[in-house]
Amino acid sequence: DGGITQSPKYLFRKEGQNVTLSCEQNLNHDAMYWYRQDPGQGLRLIYYSQIVNDFQKGDIAEGYSVSREKKESFPLTVTSAQKNPTAFYLCASSIPPQPRQPQHFGDGTRLSIL
Amino acid sequence: AQSVAQPEDQVNVAEGNPLTVKCTYSVSGNPYLFWYVQYPNRGLQFLLKYITGDNLVKGSYGFEAEFNKSQTSFHLKKPSALVSDSALYFCAVRDRYNNNDMRFGAGTRLTVKP
Repeated sequence: DGGITQSPKYLFRKEGQNVTLSCEQNLNHDAMYWYRQDPGQGLRLIYYSQIVNDFQKGDIAEGYSVSREKKESFPLTVTSAQKNPTAFYLCASSIPPQPRQPQHFGDGTRLSIL
Repeated sequence: AQSVAQPEDQVNVAEGNPLTVKCTYSVSGNPYLFWYVQYPNRGLQFLLKYITGDNLVKGSYGFEAEFNKSQTSFHLKKPSALVSDSALYFCAVRDRYNNNDMRFGAGTRLTVKP
């Protein structure tokens, strides 16, 4: 079955440490997205990518970095510059440029501070 | 920029009763509107969308939503609630001309009691 796989499901970060969240999709979608979910705040866009080797900042990109070297992969690095990284991180994909199509989501990674 | 408001943090209904989860939106032009559902520690799952045409949209699991342009609303409804419908529901809006900018509401937690 086609879908989006996020790993790990749970991740713990020490102070000053960078951590990388994995997102892989086999839907053959061109566009991929990273969202951060905090209780009562809905989803906020961190980064998105419409095509390989290209990506754009979202609303809350500070303290995060991404790469898009392959169509099916869009890893997110949470750097030590992100002072409040505890959240639920969701990866999504869609078919651009068709705004009428919904985004498909992975099952998320929950990041906590040790 | 577009935005979405879900005025109720929590909705409680008895099993078998009709349910409504409210959503209002703000966009400069004509919107694309979406409803998603999220179960604990899972990603968002697409329920239904409004693109154009009939104001009553039918989706998965017996859910439907009514688009009201004059009230800028897109309320989610179901005639008879199930305990298994208990989850977090998100409304989202996308500008027709900006595929990358999908805005989510803060979410409404639906609890269906037996």
